[in-house]
Amino acid sequence: NAGVTQTPKFRVLKTGQSMTLLCAQDMNHEYMYWYRQDPGMGLRLIHYSVGEGTTAKGEVPDGYNVSRLKKQNFLLGLESAAPSQTSVYFCASTSADTQYFGPGTRLTVL
Amino acid sequence: DQQVKQNSPSLSVQEGRISILNCDYTNSMFDYFLWYKKYPAEGPTFLISISSIKDKNEDGRFTVFLNKSAKHLSLHIVPSQPGDSAVYFCAASDKTSYDKVIFGPGTSLSVIP
Repeated sequence: NAGVTQTPKFRVLKTGQSMTLLCAQDMNHEYMYWYRQDPGMGLRLIHYSVGEGTTAKGEVPDGYNVSRLKKQNFLLGLESAAPSQTSVYFCASTSADTQYFGPGTRLTVL
Repeated sequence: DQQVKQNSPSLSVQEGRISILNCDYTNSMFDYFLWYKKYPAEGPTFLISISSIKDKNEDGRFTVFLNKSAKHLSLHIVPSQPGDSAVYFCAASDKTSYDKVIFGPGTSLSVIP
């Protein structure tokens, strides 16, 4: 049981490049989330999904898109990366009463 | 403006003593509070929670106290152990749904052997 995994662990992009972060969970959870964490700030919700085929905006959705084509996967896309998107990104999934986080992806946009 | 504040970025405590981590919130609609623990290069893990109908919740060495009138909660760790060294995030929600959870900036706890 791997829990929540994230790919890649690290990535460096140039401004304007695109990329996709992959989150996978093997706990059969319906709810999945993408957060970003910046220095001096708590985790902020980017987008979330309440089930396969659904997505919704969180607190800071601008510049990101998401897709949930399969229940176990939640993808976060950056179409045109900006330096302001330099951050650590965490994925999470939720059972009835507990949220499980992945190990994070450290993204640097130059 | 941060709705959940943790005014101490860091805290050092001797092993065996009590660690007290504080959290303040501004939104009086928050009625569910959580604490998460995070080690370097790992994601946060859920530690303990409390509903606004309670003023205390205990789980082993960890106790969370809630003072609704002061909009303040605290996490007590007794006794503190070196393995408790981590960043602790306070979080709050006005519903028990995780899409409404607001996180504080975290407090880095160091437990000195």
